[in-house]
Amino acid sequence: KAGVTQTPRYLIKTRGQQVTLSCSPISGHRSVSWYQQTPGQGLQFLFEYFSETQRNKGNFPGRFSGRQFSNSRSEMNVSTLELGDSALYLCASSQMSVAYNEQFFGPGTRLTVL
Amino acid sequence: TQLLEQSPQFLSIQEGENLTVYCNSSSVFSSLQWYRQEPGEGPVLLVTVVTGGEVKKLKRLTFQFGDARKDSSLHITAAQPGDTGLYLCAGALAPYAGGTSYGKLTFGQGTILTVHP
Repeated sequence: KAGVTQTPRYLIKTRGQQVTLSCSPISGHRSVSWYQQTPGQGLQFLFEYFSETQRNKGNFPGRFSGRQFSNSRSEMNVSTLELGDSALYLCASSQMSVAYNEQFFGPGTRLTVL
Repeated sequence: TQLLEQSPQFLSIQEGENLTVYCNSSSVFSSLQWYRQEPGEGPVLLVTVVTGGEVKKLKRLTFQFGDARKDSSLHITAAQPGDTGLYLCAGALAPYAGGTSYGKLTFGQGTILTVHP
């Protein structure tokens, strides 16, 4: 089975711009979660989608948004980029077993904001 | 305040030594995962534990979930240079601990392990 894929792998943007990141989950996985990883804060939860619905959201400003399509693929968008948004953005998919909450991560998208 | 306290933050050892990484919390978790991450890559799932007191072994790695499901440990026997990497614990908070099972894992800060040949 193919793993979680994320595109693009690297992205350089300037302040004020917006960016869209894409994630394709493992086949059969319907839950997609997004995380931001920085050296100072570690991995922080952004949001989770299941069946095209956002079911959970972390403590991030409204500039961070996402969506999920009927084929479970997901995108996240960051508008009005700030320098502090530079991070590794990770997508994880899960079969959504409530007991296990076992998540499988993609390779991430490295976003650099100049 | 970090919900999952992971220690030590850094570990530098010689090949063949044993080591233990700890993950502690005052909150109860429904499940706890351990991941290993290489630079520039995503975390790779090593194990999931869900039952208090559970012990799982993966070759030279032994994982334990505390009886109260508030803590966990990772023990590596006879470490090898290939074990070098960032080790992360992550848990899904139990609903009665203020958590939701909807896709959110709470991560520890990680342990950077370096094993010298």
